[in-house]
Amino acid sequence: ETGVTQSPTHLIKTRGQQVTLRCSSQSGHNTVSWYQQALGQGPQFIFQYYREEENGRGNFPPRFSGLQFPNYSSELNVNALELDDSALYLCASSPGGLSSYEQYFGPGTRLTVT
Amino acid sequence: QKEVEQNSGPLSVPEGAIASLNCTYSDRGSQSFFWYRQYSGKSPELIMSIYSNGDKEDGRFTAQLNKASQYVSLLIRDSQPSDSATYLCAVNEGNYQLIWGAGTKLIIKP
Repeated sequence: ETGVTQSPTHLIKTRGQQVTLRCSSQSGHNTVSWYQQALGQGPQFIFQYYREEENGRGNFPPRFSGLQFPNYSSELNVNALELDDSALYLCASSPGGLSSYEQYFGPGTRLTVT
Repeated sequence: QKEVEQNSGPLSVPEGAIASLNCTYSDRGSQSFFWYRQYSGKSPELIMSIYSNGDKEDGRFTAQLNKASQYVSLLIRDSQPSDSATYLCAVNEGNYQLIWGAGTKLIIKP
């Protein structure tokens, strides 16, 4: 069974640029959630996708957008990058059903905005 | 605003002792509770999930839930240096979103 994978591992961007982060969910999981984690803080919920539809969104501006594909992989896009967007971006997948709230994380993408 | 509170620590525990980590939450409607372990520079790893009042044991780990008092705790028996990490509490109130605490840093001293 393949776990959750994310790419790239690290990324350095300049303020104002755009970035796309990618996530492949664990086999059999149809729900993907994205989080932003700043140093020393807990993860902050960005949004969740279930069967290719956005299923909920946290308190993030519209320049944070996403997609989920038929194979349940997902992308997080961030436009007009700001210095405060520097963080660890985590993708987590869930199996659905009674265990739908148990989320399993990928290794994360460390984004640095300069 | 729905909140999950944890003592940031660090909590220092001698090797072989019991480590006790606590978490309180504000939303009485919360239904699912999770403990994650996060090593420095790594992503969170699910350790325990608990859904009903009482204790749930898995190896050296025991999760305790008290919905009336709105707290959930994690006990680690026979603590090992490899248990040194930040422990995150997450709470779900029945919708799509997990609410996270900021984590407690645990240090196990050999």
